[in-house]
Amino acid sequence: KNEVEQSPQNLTAQEGEFITINCSYSVGISALHWLQQHPGGGIVSLFMLSSGKKKHGRLIATINIQEKHSSLHITASHPRDSAVYICAVRWYGGATNKLIFGTGTLLAVQP
Amino acid sequence: NAGVTQTPKFRVLKTGQSMTLLCAQDMNHEYMYWYRQDPGMGLRLIHYSVGEGTTAKGEVPDGYNVSRLKKQNFLLGLESAAPSQTSVYFCASSRPGQGLGYTFGSGTRLTVV
Repeated sequence: KNEVEQSPQNLTAQEGEFITINCSYSVGISALHWLQQHPGGGIVSLFMLSSGKKKHGRLIATINIQEKHSSLHITASHPRDSAVYICAVRWYGGATNKLIFGTGTLLAVQP
Repeated sequence: NAGVTQTPKFRVLKTGQSMTLLCAQDMNHEYMYWYRQDPGMGLRLIHYSVGEGTTAKGEVPDGYNVSRLKKQNFLLGLESAAPSQTSVYFCASSRPGQGLGYTFGSGTRLTVV
């Protein structure tokens, strides 16, 4: 069993829809990252959070430490949101900031 | 622009050839990492460095060597390339301590034939 699991693996949405991507983890963590990777592109850090909720534009990330679960929400989705979204955790005791990555969720937003 | 720069962006190698991937960051970050990304798998840590002159093995270090002679540069070497090393390689950097994010490079797509 992977230490970080994302669902769904693939997601197709229509433009304007509200999107949720989930991440569950099995280790104690000090922080959780949400990353975005466009096809053939680099990786961009969207959020880093250790509790509660963060919002940036149309993106919202939440985390429940007790339940070992995080969600990434996209409101009013747009075709330019099409990308792979990756959840990664910094496990507690990882003094060198090493991350454990999920396999990603491939999102396609159709116009 | 500040960030992490990887060179080259693409490379095709023949089995047995050697090459070096360069990662350079201008953010004065202490920590640097090399990851590989393969289809259906999460990024996996190859080697990392917590400061100039220090390196350590990650999850999948076999077949790779690294050096961190200068704080801003982290080199990944393949001494004798194998088809199993066909992958996309990402460099990243961060500062020590919690609450601080990562910065990734744009990746190097390596094909070994």
